[in-house]
Amino acid sequence: QLAESGGDFVQPGGSLTLSCVVSGFSLKDYWMHWVRQVPGKGLLWVSRINSDGTLEAYVDSVRGRFTISRDDAKNTLHLQMNNLRVEDTAVYYCVRGLGDLWGRGTLVSVSS
Amino acid sequence: DVVMSQSPLSLSVTLGQPASISCRSSQGLLHTDKNTYLNWFHQRPGQSPRRLIYKISNRDSGVPDRFSGSGTGTEFTLKINRVEADDVGIYYCMQGTHWPPTFGQGTRLEIK
Repeated sequence: QLAESGGDFVQPGGSLTLSCVVSGFSLKDYWMHWVRQVPGKGLLWVSRINSDGTLEAYVDSVRGRFTISRDDAKNTLHLQMNNLRVEDTAVYYCVRGLGDLWGRGTLVSVSS
Repeated sequence: DVVMSQSPLSLSVTLGQPASISCRSSQGLLHTDKNTYLNWFHQRPGQSPRRLIYKISNRDSGVPDRFSGSGTGTEFTLKINRVEADDVGIYYCMQGTHWPPTFGQGTRLEIK
């Protein structure tokens, strides 16, 4: 299971940290990802981190503002989001590997 | 980024009849490791996406054999043998061969 938390309402320029607690498997065995979806719209892959935490990647629109990290001891994945923009408004999903397991998502709403 | 194009964008099918969704990628999806990372997802209203098919034609655990995937190179197809009421929702193809992974626009399936 994957359980996201941390979504909230925030003003443009603000920051949020999303968390994803993993259960039923060990986080350290998998590449993990964040995917977002504007309500009623399509899916966008945001970021990924490899199984030992040494390789991160980001989609162009969030690079330099978002940071993915993992705490294997707590079986938790994080997404630190800084300098948020209105266009970052979306449901953020924690995803295992190339999509074999998804969380329920957490809503981030950026508005003035 | 690799552009994934699905057709049709909406589908209205009579219960028990077949359905087919096409997905075309703007680049070939054969990875250097000889795998083709083309997945299919189903998203019901208000739910997270669920993976149905991975690497073109492999069904995920619990996916009925009414669902099948095929294709090669840049052209892929998801077929539903006999549509059931539970199949309504949006279907997405996704490529995981090239970073960032990208999704098609989605195909909305409804029951006629």
